[in-house]
Amino acid sequence: EPEVTQTPSHQVTQMGQEVILRCVPISNHLYFYWYRQILGQKVEFLVSFYNNEISEKSEIFDDQFSVERPDGSNFTLKIRSTKLEDSAMYFCASSANGMALDTQYFGPGTRLTVL
Amino acid sequence: AQKVTQAQTEISVVEKEDVTLDCVYETRDTTYYLFWYKQPPSGELVFLIRRNSFDEQNEISGRYSWNFQKSTSSFNFTITASQVVDSAVYFCALYGGATNKLIFGTGTLLAVQP
Repeated sequence: EPEVTQTPSHQVTQMGQEVILRCVPISNHLYFYWYRQILGQKVEFLVSFYNNEISEKSEIFDDQFSVERPDGSNFTLKIRSTKLEDSAMYFCASSANGMALDTQYFGPGTRLTVL
Repeated sequence: AQKVTQAQTEISVVEKEDVTLDCVYETRDTTYYLFWYKQPPSGELVFLIRRNSFDEQNEISGRYSWNFQKSTSSFNFTITASQVVDSAVYFCALYGGATNKLIFGTGTLLAVQP
């Protein structure tokens, strides 16, 4: 069964460093998402992406964040200068289309620890 | 504004007990979708069910059942004859309107003791 994959599973970085989190969405899906979950809290939407551009973003997704689909398979989230409060689990998701009919399938997550 | 409330932070049951996880939602949209996801200790989010606002039929899948009631804005999830493998955090989520983002509740941690 096709699934969303994410690498790395755990990333440790120093405050102020740049990190890139990688995702491979399900191959025929067109919509891609990033969510984050601070430890013990709920899952929060960051950004959605379609047709090589951001379709929606939350207030969390400030200028420190960017997303990119550098090739036909990868979808990345970059944090330019990490802060302690960026420590969280980051989930990538994809859906076949952006309509509410369609379920978003999540990857296993990348745990980001900022020291 | 859209909101999902899962008032139960933690539930502990003994294996084979039935357990119901509550979910109450708020939305002004007439068309919306509700979801349940399971997050086991390994951390991934596993899709369980999707329901649209026009379909109030209850659904059963094995030991899982869902009760959607628009009149009370609730979408509750029942596990019958719980098992230790059901131990996880369960999230209810809402999706609707012009947005394509999921709004999650705070989750309910279910611990099933042997």
